[in-house]
Amino acid sequence: QSVLTQPPSASGTPGQRVTVSCSGSSSNIGPNTVNWYQQLPGTAPKLLIYNNNQRPSGVPDRFSGSKSGTSASLAISGLQSEDEADYYCAAWDDSLKGWVFGGGTKLTAL
Amino acid sequence: QVQVVQSGAEVKKPGASMKVSCKASGYTFTDYHLHWVRQAPGQGLEWMGRIHPNSGATNYAQNFQGRVTMTRDTSINTAYMELSRLRSADTAVYYCASWGGSRSYWGQGTLVTVSS
Repeated sequence: QSVLTQPPSASGTPGQRVTVSCSGSSSNIGPNTVNWYQQLPGTAPKLLIYNNNQRPSGVPDRFSGSKSGTSASLAISGLQSEDEADYYCAAWDDSLKGWVFGGGTKLTAL
Repeated sequence: QVQVVQSGAEVKKPGASMKVSCKASGYTFTDYHLHWVRQAPGQGLEWMGRIHPNSGATNYAQNFQGRVTMTRDTSINTAYMELSRLRSADTAVYYCASWGGSRSYWGQGTLVTVSS
């Protein structure tokens, strides 16, 4: 019942390109920027993408983000086994006047 | 370097209150919102609210209105989150975090277990 909708799981083989989608609405993703986080088991979330498509220093350029209308996507090219993690999108919601997260996508490298 | 250090794990009885602390260092504490996010076992991230340490102004998520109180002590660069009337569904890891643009600093998380 998250405000932002993500697929619960995604997978790919090493070297493959994988995408994770995040669907929102005209009160969150539509007017605001999207952040993406990576969470490894037992650790705090790590910022991967901010402002829809910007990478913080130290994040490999294999990770990229995009936004169109009320949806956003995270793409991981050249999938590596170390990319196995949970991925979350987040955005400010103007109606709720708060931050909202997606339900998370568990990425598996087959 | 930036450090965000939270208080330790707690076990609480249903109906009780919890209070988690979050001490930040390495950046100007009063310049940025401090958020609280929780994660129930095996579940996703849930934003609880935020406080601006400079003014003390708060925004709480609707799900926690009336049960959560966020405060800060700028003299020791520490924020607090108190949640009352605890129930088993409040068992979770509670994170404090400061983010904006490329900035993203998270505490290590505090496990709070609510059990009779």
